[in-house]
Amino acid sequence: DADVTQTPRNRITKTGKRIMLECSQTKGHDRMYWYRQDPGLGLQLIYYSFDVKDINKGEISDGYSVSRQAQAKFSLSLESAIPNQTALYFCATSDLSRAGELFFGEGSRLTVL
Amino acid sequence: QQPVQSPQAVILREGEDAVINCSSSKALYSVHWYRQKHGEAPVFLMILLKGGEQKGHEKISASFNEKKQQSSLYLTASQLSYSGTYFCGTDEWAGGTSYGKLTFGQGTILTVHP
Repeated sequence: DADVTQTPRNRITKTGKRIMLECSQTKGHDRMYWYRQDPGLGLQLIYYSFDVKDINKGEISDGYSVSRQAQAKFSLSLESAIPNQTALYFCATSDLSRAGELFFGEGSRLTVL
Repeated sequence: QQPVQSPQAVILREGEDAVINCSSSKALYSVHWYRQKHGEAPVFLMILLKGGEQKGHEKISASFNEKKQQSSLYLTASQLSYSGTYFCGTDEWAGGTSYGKLTFGQGTILTVHP
């Protein structure tokens, strides 16, 4: 089983719908991240969390919200999806003992029609 | 601010060498390098820390020029398996520590042919 698990792996939805992407990890890491990937733009940070009570906005947080339900779970929500949120979304974890090396989930491909 | 990678794409034959560069306008605590195969998640290759410490892959090397805030990834004797998109990620210096979050470059597409 993967150490960082994302669900769903693929989702097609319509404009205006609420969508939640979930991430769970078994690595025991305190730090969790949500990144968005668009072709040619690399990975852009949406939100990050250093522990359950510490959540921070990243570069492109507008239109997104997050919830850190437990050390192992970090969810990303799109309250009202729009077509330009069509992208590949990655959850990642890290730990200070490994100098911040990121461990990525397999990704969630979201299409907003 | 996003670090800038160059070149945007590289095409090699097996056995050839390549260098990928990453440049930031910010003072950096560390530079990370990741490789992503098509349709897969990025995979860690290397971390270079302020002060010269390196951690990572046995067959890939990198350098970090702290004065210029630049890093280079050296791929020697390339193999078909090296094909993919390479990303640098930078963690800014926060006065003795890091901010703990990576900002990624736009990526360099490396293609290795037989």
